[in-house]
Amino acid sequence: AIQMTQSPSSLSASVGDRVTITCRASQGIRNDLGWYQQKPGKAPKLLIYAASILQSGVPSRFSGSGSGTDFTLTISSLQPEDFATYYCLQDYNYPHTFGQGTKLEIK
Amino acid sequence: EVQLVESGGGLVQPGGSLRLSCAASGFTFSSYWMSWVRQAPGKGLEWVANIKKDGSEKYYVDSVKGRFTISRDNAKNSLYLQMNSLRAEDTAVYYCARDLGYCSGGACYTPLDYWGQGTLVTVSS
Repeated sequence: AIQMTQSPSSLSASVGDRVTITCRASQGIRNDLGWYQQKPGKAPKLLIYAASILQSGVPSRFSGSGSGTDFTLTISSLQPEDFATYYCLQDYNYPHTFGQGTKLEIK
Repeated sequence: EVQLVESGGGLVQPGGSLRLSCAASGFTFSSYWMSWVRQAPGKGLEWVANIKKDGSEKYYVDSVKGRFTISRDNAKNSLYLQMNSLRAEDTAVYYCARDLGYCSGGACYTPLDYWGQGTLVTVSS
């Protein structure tokens, strides 16, 4: 199975900061990668798919990039509602696999 | 409005069985692949299985192969997960999710665009 490694595992930041989260695949996955946001006690929410396509209704401060093995999720200016845990998910081949998550906390 | 509502979770003894259901509404169920994803308490997300629109293809994570069976009834707009030989490590919130099924430039992607609220499965004696 393809392993997805996110970094950092946790991150402290302030409102207004620019934040970048990285996801690395153990082998090339083209651009078959999505990013999800999860808040405590809630289901995950799709933010980005195909590495860089913004899901409908998601604020434009979220962006994604990358292909092959290295991917990034960027939040251009953190808002209070963005503090959550973020996961990447590869859907290049089976089994699909998630990264271990990045917890974004308020500094 | 797209809605996915899971049911069937609960407490079961190790070695036991449980069948989860996911009732879908607000979209043409038979036009979408569907998935199950789980999350153990305090842990990350784990993709479990998915199933093609007509049920003809099914894929599983290795840890559940031979024990779990994903199925669907398009006439009832419902997705199922039959879980047998349950282990303590299967304890988790189980989410059903819709695969967006986006295709462009000859490539197709299956991000999970709608999720249910989850149902808790606890395997314990």
